[in-house]
Amino acid sequence: EVQMLESGGGLVPPGGSLRLSCAASGFTFDTYSMTWVRQAPGKGLEWVSSISYTGDYIAYGDSVRGRFTISRDNSKSTLYLQMSSLRPEDTAVYYCAKGRDSRAIRSAWDYWGQGTPVTVSS
Amino acid sequence: QSALTQPASVSGSPGQSITISCTGTRSDVGYSQSVYWYQQFPGKAPKLIIHDVTDRPSGISDRFSGSKSGNTASLTISGLQAEDEADYYCVSYTVSNTMLFGGGTKLTVL
Repeated sequence: EVQMLESGGGLVPPGGSLRLSCAASGFTFDTYSMTWVRQAPGKGLEWVSSISYTGDYIAYGDSVRGRFTISRDNSKSTLYLQMSSLRPEDTAVYYCAKGRDSRAIRSAWDYWGQGTPVTVSS
Repeated sequence: QSALTQPASVSGSPGQSITISCTGTRSDVGYSQSVYWYQQFPGKAPKLIIHDVTDRPSGISDRFSGSKSGNTASLTISGLQAEDEADYYCVSYTVSNTMLFGGGTKLTVL
């Protein structure tokens, strides 16, 4: 059974940093791209960042580029999102999601974690 | 980049068909075959219902169908059921190698 479990969310002051983790199981992690998507309270979904299965290809949304860093450790089947210079508008539930197509750079996301909440507030 | 444009809400009666539009530009929806649709229930993670404009993942009802014309993608739900009441989001790959979501559409089954 495919499972993704996010962790690392919490309350952080503006300007602070936080690292999210997404522990994956039930599939061959190192052959699938992974993605972070967030959802602010009462708002829609926003794509944050994606990373290819090798880690060689990375992309970011405009609102987080230069502040967030996506990475993966294939030996631990874990995806990360290092967030710095956090702003109140980064407050959201952060989901990790698995790419649908093996060894594809670009792919729909077929399995999602339950999300981890991040609140940026003083 | 601005979000893709979706109607904020649509409604229909059981058994009817509804269509949700997702309008972008030639730099996203018009550019890409990587257009996906997600269904989301309150407090739950999104669920993939359409990928690559028209394809349904295994286990998704054939009442859900996708299409695209020019810069607008569409999701049609036929034979509407009460259980379809949810939020629906489109997302498209863009010419800038990024992904862009629509603002979401709340479907109400009357």
